[in-house]
Amino acid sequence: AQSVTQLGSHVSVSEGALVLLRCNYSSSVPPYLFWYVQYPNQGLQLLLKYTSAATLVKGINGFEAEFKKSETSFHLTKPSAHMSDAAEYFCAVTSGLGGTSYGKLTFGQGTILTVHP
Amino acid sequence: ETGVTQTPRHLVMGMTNKKSLKCEQHLGHNAMYWYKQSAKKPLELMFVYSLEERVENNSVPSRFSPECPNSSHLFLHLHTLQPEDSALYLCASSQAGYDNEQFFGPGTRLTVL
Repeated sequence: AQSVTQLGSHVSVSEGALVLLRCNYSSSVPPYLFWYVQYPNQGLQLLLKYTSAATLVKGINGFEAEFKKSETSFHLTKPSAHMSDAAEYFCAVTSGLGGTSYGKLTFGQGTILTVHP
Repeated sequence: ETGVTQTPRHLVMGMTNKKSLKCEQHLGHNAMYWYKQSAKKPLELMFVYSLEERVENNSVPSRFSPECPNSSHLFLHLHTLQPEDSALYLCASSQAGYDNEQFFGPGTRLTVL
């Protein structure tokens, strides 16, 4: 079984401040981890993904995340927040458990990021 | 059209109505997914089609009936829904393979009266 916990359903930062969105996962086999972003009235867009290569993953819009196996974490960061970063962010995990040929994503509850001027 | 499109974007229906949601992907993918997104709940995987064959039915009530006539199109047929079925229904597609990115459509906002 696999699960994802996102700590903090709402995070508020000032423009230019560091963004840190937390994600912890549980998986009985090596996981593949994703961060998606959802803007109002839109579907989800992939920010970045970890698939067992480099532990520090760089994504779009200046975001990056670090896979830490010892902490079972995959936190999302951005050095300097922009107003356009305001959205809801989802962490998700999948694995090859069960030999599935498709992506069986398990999502966290989501974190709403608010950016203040 | 590019990416994944969904129609209609908004739908209001009574509990006795029958309606269908449509999803189309223009990415050449061979796996398609239906998700339900409710307020204050994580996204729930409903159905998966891989290579046009249904490979996952995540304990979804029979009032939801998926159909995948080809690798580019996916439908969700709805009948005798309940108010608690009101949600955003998202379609996604990917290449088969558990580590491949899923591309999402904008969703259909469904309200059941």
